[in-house]
Amino acid sequence: GAGVSQSPRYKVAKRGQDVALRCDPISGHVSLFWYQQALGQGPEFLTYFQNEAQLDKSGLPSDRFFAERPEGSVSTLKIQRTQQEDSAVYLCASSHRRAADTQYFGPGTRLTVL
Amino acid sequence: GDSVTQMEGPVTLSEEAFLTINCTYTATGYPSLFWYVQYPGEGLQLLLKATKADDKGSNKGFEATYRKETTSFHLEKGSVQVSDSAVYFCALRMNAGGTSYGKLTFGQGTILTVHP
Repeated sequence: GAGVSQSPRYKVAKRGQDVALRCDPISGHVSLFWYQQALGQGPEFLTYFQNEAQLDKSGLPSDRFFAERPEGSVSTLKIQRTQQEDSAVYLCASSHRRAADTQYFGPGTRLTVL
Repeated sequence: GDSVTQMEGPVTLSEEAFLTINCTYTATGYPSLFWYVQYPGEGLQLLLKATKADDKGSNKGFEATYRKETTSFHLEKGSVQVSDSAVYFCALRMNAGGTSYGKLTFGQGTILTVHP
């Protein structure tokens, strides 16, 4: 079956532009996570959804970052007024149901802010 | 807060050499521990895991043992192959309860290159 997919795979934005990154989780997966991976670093947690409910957004670095999952499936991470420090790979992961289930990661979206 | 520390990389080995990548953690409770691998051009994949002290996770010839007394989860393989070249991430997840919701906390990653 299909894994987690993300689009676009690469995004170049000028500083100040808004961007939207999409995640298609594995069909039927209840839990969805977003992570940010800076160059040469491990992924860092941004936010968590259980179905359409955003239960944890403690990792979002500023109010310019916004995530949604309105129908409990596809999720979008939006970054407003992008800054150079937002340049990173944004990873999406989904798991079947419980927090204890294995997380399956997408290939990521590499965002470069010029 | 919770954190994971991995040995500095990159690590370069010849084929069939023994591999150890050190990982230690700091956590307020008793986490589950993971090794994820990222092959060139691919997404993160779960390599192995252990959910409680003294558990040993294993997969594809890799092993790691959950050591509570030393708060460690070192990755080992007896004989590496060129195809093992990848970035390896150690991670922890706090178990059910509280507000962790299963988020993973990762180390910074270790680049492994295996030469023929």
